[in-house]
Amino acid sequence: SQTIHQWPATLVQPVGSPLSLECTVEGTSNPNLYWYRQAAGRGLQLLFYSVGIGQISSEVPQNLSASRPQDRQFILSSKKLLLSDSGFYLCAWSGMTNQPQHFGDGTRLSIL
Amino acid sequence: DQQVKQNSPSLSVQEGRISILNCDYTNSMFDYFLWYKKYPAEGPTFLISISSIKDKNEDGRFTVFLNKSAKHLSLHIVPSQPGDSAVYFCAASGDGNKLVFGAGTILRVKS
Repeated sequence: SQTIHQWPATLVQPVGSPLSLECTVEGTSNPNLYWYRQAAGRGLQLLFYSVGIGQISSEVPQNLSASRPQDRQFILSSKKLLLSDSGFYLCAWSGMTNQPQHFGDGTRLSIL
Repeated sequence: DQQVKQNSPSLSVQEGRISILNCDYTNSMFDYFLWYKKYPAEGPTFLISISSIKDKNEDGRFTVFLNKSAKHLSLHIVPSQPGDSAVYFCAASGDGNKLVFGAGTILRVKS
């Protein structure tokens, strides 16, 4: 069966520090991969998605970037975090078109 | 521009009764709709989906209804159980990949 791993579960970072969140998927090949952010009391906002290695689409302008160095690995990064980057970050994967996305357990990021 | 709206922030239901969660959308290009359930500090869990070629899909206690002319979908949970207490998100897709989510509805099932 397919599983998705996301870490760390919680992270506290100072403003201006770098960020690297990692997500890996097991049990499937060539998944579509996604990064979402959920702000307090809001829905999930799609940040990036990828349909293959090295292919990244950005949905909103922001201080973050994403990379997909391997088929089942998706990384969310920032060179210098802002206070507004605080939130709950979720990674997800899906198979073919019009298939449900399946989410990891998320990372709670707090910027001080 | 909220393309997917869940106008009820919260809903409280007695155990054993029906829970009805509603969702409206504005983009007529959406053709695939999903409901997710989320507990605090966890990722959303997929519940049920429906394609725009259908108007109803059922899976156990969960049924999703789609009214394309009204651009409205609903999730019915019968009977409701205390373990159903969670945040429920409606989501929609028009390209088979990217999902647009509503803000969520908090469901509380009282025993």
